[in-house]
Amino acid sequence: AAGVIQSPRHLIKEKRETATLKCYPIPRHDTVYWYQQGPGQDPQFLISFYEKMQSDKGSIPDRFSAQQFSDYHSELNMSSLELGDSALYFCASSLGGYNEQFFGPGTRLTVL
Amino acid sequence: GQQLNQSPQSMFIQEGEDVSMNCTSSSIFNTWLWYKQEPGEGPVLLIALYKAGELTSNGRLTAQFGITRKDSFLNISASIPSDVGIYFCAGPSYNTDKLIFGTGTRLQVFP
Repeated sequence: AAGVIQSPRHLIKEKRETATLKCYPIPRHDTVYWYQQGPGQDPQFLISFYEKMQSDKGSIPDRFSAQQFSDYHSELNMSSLELGDSALYFCASSLGGYNEQFFGPGTRLTVL
Repeated sequence: GQQLNQSPQSMFIQEGEDVSMNCTSSSIFNTWLWYKQEPGEGPVLLIALYKAGELTSNGRLTAQFGITRKDSFLNISASIPSDVGIYFCAGPSYNTDKLIFGTGTRLQVFP
């Protein structure tokens, strides 16, 4: 069965650079979520989209923005990167909200 | 805010042993999800629970939704080396669909 696809899988950036992470949900899933996971921590919710509209927002820095496109894929844009942004970033998708969320393999972002 | 506490924090067991871990909260959850995460990979959904008292199995895994809706447990029977990983419970935050994750139980299985 098709799973959530994330790209790139690994990304290395310098401080103050920008990064764009992409997420392709499971086919027919209309809801996308972004989570950030620091070393040894549990995933923390950043933002979600349902039918291309932002549905919820967590502790996402103002330097980050995201959107969901007409084909339901989503992009997380991160600007003015800081060392503390180094983490695993996961995208998850579900069919409608309040349902089981299926996670992608993640993007490991390293900021030097 | 809502928090999920998992215990034990880590477990070191021998292959073939049964494992039990639990997840508790001070507030009510209407859904409990159990995920397994391996290093550098995304969480994989193992079991979803939607009703208080519900007992659901997935192969060697069995999970229950506590009657009070404030806890859940996960059992793994006859553990094997590929069961190694971190097991997270998770549930949607009140009136939203964003997931709150538990603190995780790290499982190590020795042959």
